[in-house]
Amino acid sequence: AQSVSQHNHHVILSEAASLELGCNYSYGGTVNLFWYVQYPGQHLQLLLKYFSGDPLVKGIKGFEAEFIKSKFSFNLRKPSVQWSATAEYFCAISVAGGTSYGKLTFGQGTILTVHP
Amino acid sequence: NAGVTQTPKFRVLKTGQSMTLLCAQDMNHEYMYWYRQDPGMGLRLIHYSVGEGTTAKGEVPDGYNVSRLKKQNFLLGLESAAPSQTSVYFCASATEGGLTQYFGPGTRLLVL
Repeated sequence: AQSVSQHNHHVILSEAASLELGCNYSYGGTVNLFWYVQYPGQHLQLLLKYFSGDPLVKGIKGFEAEFIKSKFSFNLRKPSVQWSATAEYFCAISVAGGTSYGKLTFGQGTILTVHP
Repeated sequence: NAGVTQTPKFRVLKTGQSMTLLCAQDMNHEYMYWYRQDPGMGLRLIHYSVGEGTTAKGEVPDGYNVSRLKKQNFLLGLESAAPSQTSVYFCASATEGGLTQYFGPGTRLLVL
């Protein structure tokens, strides 16, 4: 079975600092990779996704992520964060191929707090 | 378009009571999913459906049942609620293949 690990439970930054949130997965085959964000009191929103091709993926709100297959990693980055980025961030994977039906396996989540 | 909606938003149950959570989507999506979110555990898949009339078990199906009688609705039932089912429940839908899921606003359930 596949699994996803987000090593940082809570990250605290000041505005304008750079952000990198770690995500590692465990699965022997091909996966699709996702980052979701959950702002306080709201539902999950898709930040970005990777299926194939260029391993550097750009998403909404200035976020990007890099897929490093050899390290089974898909870290989320942003050069400069604002207070509005305060939220919980989830990394997720699904097994590539039709029979997986898109079922997502999520990491534990990383709470990001940005101080003004 | 309303996207994915969930009813109710919040509910308090006593141990042993039953209830049904409703998920509705207006995007004509084939696939629908129910997840539960618990602190420090991310989201875990309870049940899913790949089309009207079909359902399948996810990672944590025990204590839950589901039905997909209409394409746009996916119901999650708790026959006899337990405190361990206190959680936030999210529904999601996706086009065939399930590559991109769209989530509802969640239902917060407290079982006393």
